[in-house]
Amino acid sequence: GDSVTQMEGPVTLSEEAFLTINCTYTATGYPSLFWYVQYPGEGLQLLLKATKADDKGSNKGFEATYRKETTSFHLEKGSVQVSDSAVYFCALSEKNTDKLIFGTGTRLQVFP
Amino acid sequence: DAMVIQNPRYQVTQFGKPVTLSCSQTLNHNVMYWYQQKSSQAPKLLFHYYDKDFNNEADTPDNFQSRRPNTSFCFLDIRSPGLGDAAMYLCATSTPGQGYNEQFFGPGTRLTVL
Repeated sequence: GDSVTQMEGPVTLSEEAFLTINCTYTATGYPSLFWYVQYPGEGLQLLLKATKADDKGSNKGFEATYRKETTSFHLEKGSVQVSDSAVYFCALSEKNTDKLIFGTGTRLQVFP
Repeated sequence: DAMVIQNPRYQVTQFGKPVTLSCSQTLNHNVMYWYQQKSSQAPKLLFHYYDKDFNNEADTPDNFQSRRPNTSFCFLDIRSPGLGDAAMYLCATSTPGQGYNEQFFGPGTRLTVL
């Protein structure tokens, strides 16, 4: 079945460091891919999405490119801030289905 | 702003005492979901409604029930909460027709079972 694999956390960085959180997927079709962010005590917020191969999603300085050849959707940010500290979930959705498949989440901790 | 609202944000109940969590949406989305999330693990889908059609996940305990009286509201009923049911409960909505399933989440209700 479909699945999403994320790198284990926590990822600990100093402010202004470069961030990469790896995400790879297994899917039978051509899924859409998402990154959600969850701040402490809050629900999930959509950070960015890509609906077809080679699409790049971007938002708030974060980027991820849908790479079909490597089945990956790695999240990157050039310069993290303390306010980026949160848990990040990679997810996929097969076309015309009602469900999201989540990865296990990666906690990011950014220190001043 | 269109949104997903969950009430209450924090709920305390006693072991075995029924509890109901509420979700409402102003997005007019067809699909509403209930997830259980423990300790920053991935959300676990309990069930979802596509309009009035109820879809239960195979591993959702019978202790969990849901009602959707209209498009805007959906309720999660826990008939006899156990200590293991303490968690964050997330409601989400989506609308079909885009070819992909982008879900919009509420802020969650944190349930404590004493």
